[in-house]
Amino acid sequence: GAVVSQHPSWVICKSGTSVKIECRSLDFQATTMFWYRQFPKQSLMLMATSNEGSKATYEQGVEKDKFLINHASLTLSTLTVTSAHPEDSSFYICSAPLAATSYEQYFGPGTRLTVT
Amino acid sequence: GNSVTQMEGPVTLSEEAFLTINCTYTATGYPSLFWYVQYPGEGLQLLLKATKADDKGSNKGFEATYRKETTSFHLEKGSVQVSDSAVYFCALSNNYGQNFVFGPGTRLSVLP
Repeated sequence: GAVVSQHPSWVICKSGTSVKIECRSLDFQATTMFWYRQFPKQSLMLMATSNEGSKATYEQGVEKDKFLINHASLTLSTLTVTSAHPEDSSFYICSAPLAATSYEQYFGPGTRLTVT
Repeated sequence: GNSVTQMEGPVTLSEEAFLTINCTYTATGYPSLFWYVQYPGEGLQLLLKATKADDKGSNKGFEATYRKETTSFHLEKGSVQVSDSAVYFCALSNNYGQNFVFGPGTRLSVLP
């Protein structure tokens, strides 16, 4: 089946630094990818939609200047958490539909970010 | 807007017990429905899906039937195993992933 990878799987950083998380579709092209955030024991909350070749679309309440998204190619989207703070600590998950006309999402394994 | 409601957990069962996790939804149009499973420390894995009314999705002994009349997609398994311990998310999508909505998740613990 379709595979989506994320890198790194976990990262610890100090307050004020920036962290980049990569999301790759390994065996298919994705013009659109989605970034979610999951707090402990909670559901996934959609943060933004990453669009190849254009600007990302952010959900209400998500700071676009803090969570920078770049969809560099048809197989890669990156999420950069800028000037990270402890409250940004979370599990970040990306997903991609197999095709533009597919309802089904394939999820990456997630990246656990801890900001100290 | 679209929404998904699941029974609150945690659900604790003994091995070989029967499992039901209720899921109901609110959506415009005709959404596709999904169950995803998340094992500890991992991302989400698609468990099963149904794309139209009366469809039954099944996988690994789990099954769920798309009931449009009751707007439900309850997850069932006849005999759970310890390895089924995980968090289960019901979800829907009706716009090619643009409106992918998750339920709050139900944590299942199966005891030997």
